[in-house]
Amino acid sequence: DQQVKQNSPSLSVQEGRISILNCDYTNSMFDYFLWYKKYPAEGPTFLISISSIKDKNEDGRFTVFLNKSAKHLSLHIVPSQPGDSAVYFCAARPSNTGNQFYFGTGTSLTVIP
Amino acid sequence: NAGVMQNPRHLVRRRGQEARLRCSPMKGHSHVYWYRQLPEEGLKFMVYLQKENIIDESGMPKERFSAEFPKEGPSILRIQQVVRGDSAAYFCASSPSLGGYNEQFFGPGTRLTVL
Repeated sequence: DQQVKQNSPSLSVQEGRISILNCDYTNSMFDYFLWYKKYPAEGPTFLISISSIKDKNEDGRFTVFLNKSAKHLSLHIVPSQPGDSAVYFCAARPSNTGNQFYFGTGTSLTVIP
Repeated sequence: NAGVMQNPRHLVRRRGQEARLRCSPMKGHSHVYWYRQLPEEGLKFMVYLQKENIIDESGMPKERFSAEFPKEGPSILRIQQVVRGDSAAYFCASSPSLGGYNEQFFGPGTRLTVL
């Protein structure tokens, strides 16, 4: 039962343009959402997060948008850089459990120089 | 401040053998989580532990898998009588506390190959 879905397994973007990665979820109890970035042969590294009381959080080139009514969040990277090429995982935590995160299957982003 | 450490990075076992994966959380972190990533899939939660306590093991297979986080030493994920389907990357993560919103910090993972 995949409660967090990333329907695009891959995305290619030209350097300097905007990258938009999407994530959908089904559990209305999720109250905290995160994006992780993962390079091959490494563990995921935390990128940015948003709580359900907000609809936008920005950190430098990275912005996460949350649409609770649509159960959808997105990560915007602008401008995209070749070093951003990695797999991006969306994760969510329900309010009624401990600190268990549910992860999506990931989107592989390639930024073309 | 060292990050989350996992060893070994690569582990090869034959079917029926035991696999022991170790995780040392970041300094000051008392919460440890284990995740498994099968090929072409996302990370799947397995177990959440605090020192000497299993808090949530809802993602652990009922048989052959066990986890511990003793008072001293690293957290251990133990897989008995491994089968080919256990081949995966196993990631450990740690966090400082449960209260509020806390991201989890991941280790580099252990890649288990079962021959």
